Amino acid sequence: GAVVSQHPSRVICKSGTSVKIECRSLDFQATTMFWYRQFPKKSLMLMATSNEGSKATYEQGVEKDKFLINHASLTLSTLTVTSAHPEDSSFYICSAADRGNQPQHFGDGTRLSIL
Amino acid sequence: EDQVTQSPEALRLQEGESSSLNCSYTVSGLRGLFWYRQDPGKGPEFLFTLYSAGEEKEKERLKATLTKKESFLHITAPKPEDSATYLCAAVYAGNNRKLIWGLGTSLAVNP
Repeated sequence: GAVVSQHPSRVICKSGTSVKIECRSLDFQATTMFWYRQFPKKSLMLMATSNEGSKATYEQGVEKDKFLINHASLTLSTLTVTSAHPEDSSFYICSAADRGNQPQHFGDGTRLSIL
Repeated sequence: EDQVTQSPEALRLQEGESSSLNCSYTVSGLRGLFWYRQDPGKGPEFLFTLYSAGEEKEKERLKATLTKKESFLHITAPKPEDSATYLCAAVYAGNNRKLIWGLGTSLAVNP
């Protein structure tokens, strides 16, 4: 149980392109979804928290107009990196959690490479 | 300041050589302590949640314990497939379910 599917697993695209990443909870309802960024050999850096039907809460320093998050249903959240540039290249990971202090369950991440 | 510190940073074991990973935390109002395993190029895989001091959880060769200041992940008779980075994270009251992460322990188990 508690499976989170993230798609695509890898994206390579040109600078200026917008990229959408999907995160789905397959066997539970995710009241809260989280988006992280991870740099090589570093821990996860939280970008934003989203609750179903509400606007996402972004961490300090994360541009909300650049990283658009939509959490339209209890099983789907999307992250769109708008007008991506090489410095946006990174490993992006989503997680989903049910109610209360239940653990977050993670997708397998998306490796984004901007040329 | 709320903080989670893991040690050692890296650990190399021989197959069958048991050991423990440490996760110390300075978090006010701990609501949960989580252990995850992360393989290269993958998202973290959930292992255990501990909610109160004295609690223990077990799964195969892994056992997690919690005190008021730290958590241990004991690995008994590890196998090469246990090689991974083990991450510890804490959530505390009033933090909107955000996790405070340790930097992880990179474990390598040699056959």
